[in-house]
Amino acid sequence: DSGVTQTPKHLITATGQRVTLRCSPRSGDLSVYWYQQSLDQGLQFLIQYYNGEERAKGNILERFSAQQFPDLHSELNLSSLELGDSALYFCASSIGLRTGDNYGYTFGSGTRLTVV
Amino acid sequence: QQQVKQSPQSLIVQKGGIPIINCAYENTAFDYFPWYQQFPGKGPALLIAIRPDVSEKKEGRFTISFNKSAKQFSLHIMDSQPGDSATYFCAANSGAGSYQLTFGKGTKLSVIP
Repeated sequence: DSGVTQTPKHLITATGQRVTLRCSPRSGDLSVYWYQQSLDQGLQFLIQYYNGEERAKGNILERFSAQQFPDLHSELNLSSLELGDSALYFCASSIGLRTGDNYGYTFGSGTRLTVV
Repeated sequence: QQQVKQSPQSLIVQKGGIPIINCAYENTAFDYFPWYQQFPGKGPALLIAIRPDVSEKKEGRFTISFNKSAKQFSLHIMDSQPGDSATYFCAANSGAGSYQLTFGKGTKLSVIP
């Protein structure tokens, strides 16, 4: 157990729907990162939050949004879902704003989203 | 550019062999290069990382070699074991206003007993 908790583990939904993925970071970690992993694109950075504030944005679609709450858990909202959004969504956390030599990110086990 | 190119896509070695996975980057602002190991159904886990001020770093059976002038780095796994069979990702981070990791596409390693 990495200490990063993601729920749900699996999600199957129809095109056009909206889903919410949840992440609880490791105890003491203030940064939360969201990544999308697909077979053709690999691991793609979506967005980072630090202590409730957005700090970095990657290739996140406008249909996707995220937030980090006062208790530091984060949610990734995916709306108007398309077949191509089917992927593994990972959350990771770290103590500070960026990676360290021997620490880096701690990833959760991911949420597998299937859009049908 | 933010791309990190990783090769090979897959690798099969015999137990005890030394698999080598290579990565190349273009963005000279990158200053942190971690390797992650991912088993099926799990998230990536940090294996070892290096900064460009050193040319080699060893942790147990895992070694990173770094060539700053060539903008290349590689992972060597000494005395590989079947339990090392996993997908390995190289990554890079620039830090300066950019907190995300840019990942290579991954290498699926199979170690045959």
